[in-house]
Amino acid sequence: DAGVIQSPRHEVTEMGQEVTLRCKPISGHDYLFWYRQTMMRGLELLIYFNNNVPIDDSGMPEDRFSAKMPNASFSTLKIQPSEPRDSAVYFCASSDGQGPYEQYFGPGTRLTVT
Amino acid sequence: GNSVTQMEGPVTLSEEAFLTINCTYTATGYPSLFWYVQYPGEGLQLLLKATKADDKGSNKGFEATYRKETTSFHLEKGSVQVSDSAVYFCALSDNTNAGKSTFGDGTTLTVKP
Repeated sequence: DAGVIQSPRHEVTEMGQEVTLRCKPISGHDYLFWYRQTMMRGLELLIYFNNNVPIDDSGMPEDRFSAKMPNASFSTLKIQPSEPRDSAVYFCASSDGQGPYEQYFGPGTRLTVT
Repeated sequence: GNSVTQMEGPVTLSEEAFLTINCTYTATGYPSLFWYVQYPGEGLQLLLKATKADDKGSNKGFEATYRKETTSFHLEKGSVQVSDSAVYFCALSDNTNAGKSTFGDGTTLTVKP
């Protein structure tokens, strides 16, 4: 399997623009997670899905952030409008939902908002 | 709720030195325990895991033993290499959180030649 695929790998945008990050989980995995990683706050869980349904979005920082999973093989994380404090590395991870629930991470998208 | 506490870093060692990174946890039920490693510019990847008390996970010369009595899962390696320089995360998951994992803050290891 190709593993978790994320695109783009790098994104540079100006404040106020819309940003869309994409993720393709490992085939057959039922769980999908979005994380954000910064030096100041470390690794934060933003939202996760089970069978395409959002289960817990309590980590989404504010209404500017939204995530969707229209089918089992694709998810997006959108920021609109973007702000400089959104600059971070965003990771997508997936899990097969069978114990012990280990997660497989993508390579991440490094977002820079100027 | 669940929590994971890791030894604060950064940790700097010379090549061939012995490594220990401490990890303790708080959890309801019977969690599975993990160590993930993140190399520069990459995502986290599973290093090793243990699913029940007294299990020992091992991989690439790293080991960790699930100690229920001390709620610990310390990572050890007998002789580190420069290529082991990375950030190490301790984590747990349990059935009550339906697949969601709790991660520690990460410990940065730098190995100097």
